[in-house]
Amino acid sequence: GENVEQHPSTLSVQEGDSAVIKCTYSDSASNYFPWYKQELGKGPQLIIDIRSNVGEKKDQRIAVTLNKTAKHFSLHITETQPEDSAVYFCAANGGTALIFGKGTTLSVSS
Amino acid sequence: DTAVSQTPKYLVTQMGNDKSIKCEQNLGHDTMYWYKQDSKKFLKIMFSYNNKELIINETVPNRFSPKSPDKAHLNLHINSLELGDSAVYFCASSQDGRNYGYTFGSGTRLTVV
Repeated sequence: GENVEQHPSTLSVQEGDSAVIKCTYSDSASNYFPWYKQELGKGPQLIIDIRSNVGEKKDQRIAVTLNKTAKHFSLHITETQPEDSAVYFCAANGGTALIFGKGTTLSVSS
Repeated sequence: DTAVSQTPKYLVTQMGNDKSIKCEQNLGHDTMYWYKQDSKKFLKIMFSYNNKELIINETVPNRFSPKSPDKAHLNLHINSLELGDSAVYFCASSQDGRNYGYTFGSGTRLTVV
């Protein structure tokens, strides 16, 4: 089945810096890759996604890139703000459900 | 209007008890899930239902039994609760389970004492 690896597990940046989170997947049949943000005490919330027919997608300060050949995809957050502090999860659609990475705790200090 | 709602939000109970968590979605989605999030934040799928039919049943103890009375509801019943069952349980829904993102509920924090 699908296996998703996510790195780093923790990331600390200064406000205004960029943050990058990387994921790799194992199943070449996976073709949908969403990213979720989980704030303290809340459920994960979809922030951006990418499909395998696209190499990059942007939405304001966040972007996701996908390299199908290497089976990895990344989340890029530019001009980070304190409210970006949260746990971020990548996922891939292995089989009949999303398989999640183990999460990255992002801390943005002002 | 809450898209995916779970009740209760907190559940504290003693070992050996039986408890239920309810989930409802008003998005018209066909697929619903239960995920378990442990203390290290890892999200692990437990069950998936598509239009009231069980699709995924991961390696979960038989003490956990999902029930879907209709496609808008997916409940989780847990028998003989154990300390290791303590976690946050999330319900989620999706249009088709594979090609669209999930909408998660706000979670139920279960503490077994």
